[in-house]
Amino acid sequence: GESVGLHLPTLSVQEGDNSIINCAYSNSASDYFIWYKQESGKGPQFIIDIRSNMDKRQGQRVTVLLNKTVKHLSLQIAATQPGDSAVYFCAENMIYNQGGKLIFGQGTELSVKP
Amino acid sequence: NAGVTQTPKFQVLKTGQSMTLQCAQDMNHEYMSWYRQDPGMGLRLIHYSVGAGITDQGEVPNGYNVSRSTTEDFPLRLLSAAPSQTSVYFCASSYRTVDMNTEAFFGQGTRLTVV
Repeated sequence: GESVGLHLPTLSVQEGDNSIINCAYSNSASDYFIWYKQESGKGPQFIIDIRSNMDKRQGQRVTVLLNKTVKHLSLQIAATQPGDSAVYFCAENMIYNQGGKLIFGQGTELSVKP
Repeated sequence: NAGVTQTPKFQVLKTGQSMTLQCAQDMNHEYMSWYRQDPGMGLRLIHYSVGAGITDQGEVPNGYNVSRSTTEDFPLRLLSAAPSQTSVYFCASSYRTVDMNTEAFFGQGTRLTVV
């Protein structure tokens, strides 16, 4: 069935290093992808999104890469800070379908060591 | 601007009890959804709505009912609580932009324990 999954459930990085979080998706019809950050005890927060007509999109310290050939998505965080420690989820959707139907991956816990 | 508001934040139920989780948004978003999150897992879609009066099932709808009588409110009802429904529940709302993206905004969650 449709699913979005992550390669690494946990990631530990040193403060100041770059972080890369990966995600694999299986529904080739998905054309909109979102990365969320979830801190302990809080709801997911939007980080960045990308549509399938793009390969790369940059935000402030974050970059999302999309490889449609292998159905792979990644989130890069530059100069990782302690405040980046959280669980990161990728989610997929279809832009022209009805909204409100996000399919989430398992999540990766990012731990930043000072 | 409160965004998405969920009540209560915590709830303990006995098996067989019923209750309603409340969700309200003040952003005039057309789409609203309910997700559950179990330990070490991502969010799974329970029910969603694309507008007032319209609802549909997600991945894990059994044991839950929803209704959408207004744009602002999307309550989730547990008909007869079971221990398997112990989870954290998130409500989300989203909208269509000019280019059809649907970014979702989430509430802070309701932590439900069924004993």
